[in-house]
Amino acid sequence: EVQLVESGGGLVQPGRSMKLSCAASGFTFSNYGMAWVRQAPTKGLEWVATISYDGSSTYYRDSVKGRFTISRDNAKSTLYLQMNSLRSEDTATYYCTKDYGSYFDYWGQGVMVTVSS
Amino acid sequence: DILINQSPASLTVSAGEKVTMSCKSSQSLLYSENNQDYLAWYQQKPGQFPKLLIYGASNRHTGVPDRFTGSGSGTDFTLTISSVQAEDLADYYCEQTYSYPLTFGSGTKLEIK
Repeated sequence: EVQLVESGGGLVQPGRSMKLSCAASGFTFSNYGMAWVRQAPTKGLEWVATISYDGSSTYYRDSVKGRFTISRDNAKSTLYLQMNSLRSEDTATYYCTKDYGSYFDYWGQGVMVTVSS
Repeated sequence: DILINQSPASLTVSAGEKVTMSCKSSQSLLYSENNQDYLAWYQQKPGQFPKLLIYGASNRHTGVPDRFTGSGSGTDFTLTISSVQAEDLADYYCEQTYSYPLTFGSGTKLEIK
């Protein structure tokens, strides 16, 4: 059974940093791209970033480019999202997703990130 | 960026009725080299994470009931629920995976009378 478990969220002040983690199990992590998708409170879904199966390629939405870094540790089957210079508009539930040809075929439960002073 | 327009924003139906919702993209999602449309549909029930329903415009993901059907090509796509069940109460989103940045529609909220 595929499982994706996010951690690392919480309350953070504007301008500060936070790192999210996603522990994956139930599939061969090193064979698949992974992604982060977020959802602001009462809003729709928004793709954030994608990383290829081996970490050699990464893609970001413009609003997080230069501030967020997606990375992975295939030995630990773990995905990360380093978020710097956080803004109030980054407040959202962040979902870790398994990438299936850019479709997201499995999702974690999500972790809430609140950016507020 | 490819823009996705979903409609209607919401709809209310009775159990057993047929439902259709639309997704229109600002440019074609058909990749000519493999004749595949890069469009997916997701279902998000209240308080839950989203789940993949349909990929490649018309392929059901594992375990998705056959009352859910995706159709369309190019720029116009439809999700049909042949006979709505109470458990289908949810928000439905389409997503284009043709090019980065990946983009979602704003969603259709399905309510059951």
